[in-house]
Amino acid sequence: AQSVTQLDSQVPVFEEAPVELRCNYSSSVSVYLFWYVQYPNQGLQLLLKYLSGSTLVKGINGFEAEFNKSQTSFHLRKPSVHISDTAEYFCAVRKKISGNTPLVFGKGTRLSVIA
Amino acid sequence: DAGVTQSPTHLIKTRGQQVTLRCSPKSGHDTVSWYQQALGQGPQFIFQYYEEEERQRGNFPDRFSGHQFPNYSSELNVNALLLGDSALYLCASSFRDLNTGELFFGEGSRLTVL
Repeated sequence: AQSVTQLDSQVPVFEEAPVELRCNYSSSVSVYLFWYVQYPNQGLQLLLKYLSGSTLVKGINGFEAEFNKSQTSFHLRKPSVHISDTAEYFCAVRKKISGNTPLVFGKGTRLSVIA
Repeated sequence: DAGVTQSPTHLIKTRGQQVTLRCSPKSGHDTVSWYQQALGQGPQFIFQYYEEEERQRGNFPDRFSGHQFPNYSSELNVNALLLGDSALYLCASSFRDLNTGELFFGEGSRLTVL
């Protein structure tokens, strides 16, 4: 079975400061890795995904994440946040097998950007 | 191109009642998955439908059931509602064999059980 741990439930940060949201996973098989964002009263939107290749992945809205296999981590970063980045962020994994396997999510990190 | 649409957006039920939630997938998608997101938690997988059959199921009791129609739309039914069923129910659509692909989520149906 897979599990995802998001180490921080809440992260407050000042506008234009950098931010890192931490994610660690556990799995007995290889996985694909994802970050989703959820704005208030909305569904989830994909920020970025790691499937293979370069361990540094760039996503939408200036976010990037780095896959570290030895540390089983997939931390999300942004060099300068905006007020509009205030949202809930979810790290998720899927088994790297054929077919369409379900996403396993972490509990989320609430990013609050302070003006 | 319409994305994933869900209805109703909000509803209130009492314990013991039954509820049906509806989902229309993104155009061209053939697989629908349902997730339950309790307050302050990440989404949890309920089940997945493809070719009108339940293909995978998470750790949810039989009170949770579903259906997929020939046009790929789907319903989630919950019987004998409990207070703990209060949550945001998210529908996600995708292509069946595209495990590397993106799941597209709807905005959810928020269920409150009193």
